[in-house]
Amino acid sequence: GAVVSQHPSWVICKSGTSVKIECRSLDFQATTMFWYRQFPKQSLMLMATSNEGSKATYEQGVEKDKFLINHASLTLSTLTVTSAHPEDSSFYICSASQTREETQYFGPGTRLLVL
Amino acid sequence: EDQVTQSPEALRLQEGESSSLNCSYTVSGLRGLFWYRQDPGKGPEFLFTLYSAGEEKEKERLKATLTKKESFLHITAPKPEDSATYLCAYSGNTPLVFGKGTRLSVIA
Repeated sequence: GAVVSQHPSWVICKSGTSVKIECRSLDFQATTMFWYRQFPKQSLMLMATSNEGSKATYEQGVEKDKFLINHASLTLSTLTVTSAHPEDSSFYICSASQTREETQYFGPGTRLLVL
Repeated sequence: EDQVTQSPEALRLQEGESSSLNCSYTVSGLRGLFWYRQDPGKGPEFLFTLYSAGEEKEKERLKATLTKKESFLHITAPKPEDSATYLCAYSGNTPLVFGKGTRLSVIA
């Protein structure tokens, strides 16, 4: 149980294009989903928290107009990186939990490379 | 300021050589202390949640314990497949805050 998937696992795009990453909870309903970013040999950095049917809460320093988050259902959240630039290249990981306070289960991650 | 510190940063063990990883925290209103395992290029895999001092949980060769100031992840007779980065995180008034992790290498 508690399986979270992400798609795609790898994406390479040109600078200036937008990229959408999907996060799905496969066997439970996720009231809350989280998006993280991880640089090589560093820990996870929380970007935003999203609750189903409401606007995401972004962490300080994260541009909400650049990283668009939609949590349209209890099993799906999407992260769209708009007008991606090389500095947006990173490993993006989502997690899901049944409530904000409960255990988070993580997806396998999406590696984004912007050329 | 709430924070979590993991030590050591890296640990190299021989197969069968037991050891412990440390996670110390300073946070008010701790709701839970979490341990995850992360393999290179993958998302973290949930291991344990601890909620109160004195609590212990075990899974195969791993045992997690919690005091009022720190948590330990004990690894008994590790095998090469236990090699990974082990992350601890706390939840308090904010969502999970992660430590920087301990990179464990187990040599056959």
